[in-house]
Amino acid sequence: GNSVTQMEGPVTLSEEAFLTINCTYTATGYPSLFWYVQYPGEGLQLLLKATKADDKGSNKGFEATYRKETTSFHLEKGSVQVSDSAVYFCALRDTGRRALTFGSGTRLQVQP
Amino acid sequence: SQTIHQWPATLVQPVGSPLSLECTVEGTSNPNLYWYRQAAGRGLQLLFYSVGIGQISSEVPQNLSASRPQDRQFILSSKKLLLSDSGFYLCAWSGRVVSGGPRAYNEQFFGPGTRLTVL
Repeated sequence: GNSVTQMEGPVTLSEEAFLTINCTYTATGYPSLFWYVQYPGEGLQLLLKATKADDKGSNKGFEATYRKETTSFHLEKGSVQVSDSAVYFCALRDTGRRALTFGSGTRLQVQP
Repeated sequence: SQTIHQWPATLVQPVGSPLSLECTVEGTSNPNLYWYRQAAGRGLQLLFYSVGIGQISSEVPQNLSASRPQDRQFILSSKKLLLSDSGFYLCAWSGRVVSGGPRAYNEQFFGPGTRLTVL
């Protein structure tokens, strides 16, 4: 079956620090990969996506590269801000599947 | 553009009471619709999805049911709530983003969620 594994949080960083949130996956087909962000009290927003191997998704300074050889999709940002504090979810949609499989989420806390 | 609404935003219900959560989508037609639950400190679990009116697929056995009486309306229900039904319920849709354009299932768009507390 499909699964997504994320590093456990919370991740606490100072403003302007470098961020990495690890995500690895297992899938039976050729999945599309996503990062969603959930700000406090809100629903999920799509942050970025990649649909095939070696694609790089990017948005708002965040990046993630689809690595098929390591089945990974790690999220990175060069300089985090307090406003980036949120829960980040890695997800996949496998070939022929209609729904997403989510990781358990990683809470990021950025301190001024 | 498309919007997705959920209500109520928060709900506190006693054990054994019924439940009805509503989700509606505007600005698209024939969307796929989804109900997810996020339990405290955990990830999202898919509960139901629907590809059309009256068509419901259940992902996990549980105390809840779903219905789709109209193309852009998705309802989550229970006859008798359990304590374990507490959580954050999210509705999502996927499909045609551009009017007359192709249906794209790759991306799902989420509503603001309903926080349910069962006491």
